[in-house]
Amino acid sequence: EVQLVESGGGLVKPGGSLRLSCAASGFTFETYTMTWVRQAPGKGLEWVSSMSTVNNYTFYAASVRGRFTVTRDNARNSLYLQMSSLRAEDTAIYYCVRDLGDYFDYWGQGTLVTVSS
Amino acid sequence: QSVLAQPPSASGTPGQRVTMSCSGSSSNIGSNTINWYRQLPGTAPKLLIYSNNQRPSGVPDRFSGSASGTSASLAISGLQSADEADYYCAGWDDSLNGVLFGGGTKLTVL
Repeated sequence: EVQLVESGGGLVKPGGSLRLSCAASGFTFETYTMTWVRQAPGKGLEWVSSMSTVNNYTFYAASVRGRFTVTRDNARNSLYLQMSSLRAEDTAIYYCVRDLGDYFDYWGQGTLVTVSS
Repeated sequence: QSVLAQPPSASGTPGQRVTMSCSGSSSNIGSNTINWYRQLPGTAPKLLIYSNNQRPSGVPDRFSGSASGTSASLAISGLQSADEADYYCAGWDDSLNGVLFGGGTKLTVL
């Protein structure tokens, strides 16, 4: 059974940093592109970042480029999102998703990040 | 500006057929396939339709998708109260070089 479990969310002050983790199981992690999607409270979904298996190529939404860094550790079946220079508008539930090209077939339960002073 | 436009709300009665639209442009729907996700209240989204009209295993054939030109639509037949949820279209956008989500349609079953 495919499982994606996010962790690392919490309350952080504006300008601060946070590192999210996603533990994957039930599939061959190293062969899949992995992605982060977020959802601000009461709002819609927003694609944040993806990391492919080909040369570990990375993609970022314009709203986070230069502030967020996605990495993966295939030996630990884990995906990470290092977030810095956090802003109030980064407050959201962050979902780890398995990416099959341009669609996402499995989603984690999400981890809440709150940016507030 | 790259946008996938969805009506904010839709409604229907049990047993009815409802459709939801997703309007885009040449950089997204016009050149890439569209996918649909359903988000039940308080839960993570789930894949409902991929590649315009394909259903993942376990999704009943009450759900169908289509796309033409720069528009896509999701149809639900035999509407059930359990179908009350938010529905999002999404797809790759060549201009953004990333995935674009629509704003979502909240479906109410009356």
